[in-house]
Amino acid sequence: NAGVTQTPKFQVLKTGQSMTLQCAQDMNHEYMSWYRQDPGMGLRLIHYSVGAGITDQGEVPNGYNVSRSTTEDFPLRLLSAAPSQTSVYFCASGRGTGAYNEQFFGPGTRLTVL
Amino acid sequence: GIQVEQSPPDLILQEGANSTLRCNFSDSVNNLQWFHQNPWGQLINLFYIPSGTKQNGRLSATTVATERYSLLYISSSQTTDSGVYFCAGYSGGSNYKLTFGKGTLLTVNP
Repeated sequence: NAGVTQTPKFQVLKTGQSMTLQCAQDMNHEYMSWYRQDPGMGLRLIHYSVGAGITDQGEVPNGYNVSRSTTEDFPLRLLSAAPSQTSVYFCASGRGTGAYNEQFFGPGTRLTVL
Repeated sequence: GIQVEQSPPDLILQEGANSTLRCNFSDSVNNLQWFHQNPWGQLINLFYIPSGTKQNGRLSATTVATERYSLLYISSSQTTDSGVYFCAGYSGGSNYKLTFGKGTLLTVNP
């Protein structure tokens, strides 16, 4: 049971480039979410999904897209990277259709945008 | 508003000492969890504790939901306990998110 996995662990992008951060879970969780962690700002919710085919915006969705074609996978797409998107990104999953059950986090992706 | 407040913000211990970390949360926050973010940045689940007391080895946690606080106890601390401890609660409404406290930075010296 791998839990929540994220790839890549580290990434450096130039301004304007696009990329996809991968997230997968093998616990058959319905709820998945993406957070970013910045110094002094804590963890902020970007997007979340309550099941395959259903996604919604969190607190800071601008500049990011998500899709959920399977229960297992929840990729996060940066459309045109900006220096303000330099951050550590965490994916999380949990049972049910909200964050009210125990949430499990992936190891994170550290992204630098130059 | 939705609030999760942690204390103390920083704590330095000698190996072997005990400590108590506190998390106060507002009315709109429920289903507390405690996490340890290790020096490599990973968020490790410690406890999912909406109410009551749980123990796992040297760590235990108590949540008194009616009084809106949770405590994390670390006994016989080790250097590997160093890192940031976060509590987080579910805040309902349209965003279905966890609201995190700012964390307690724990340093355990040998």
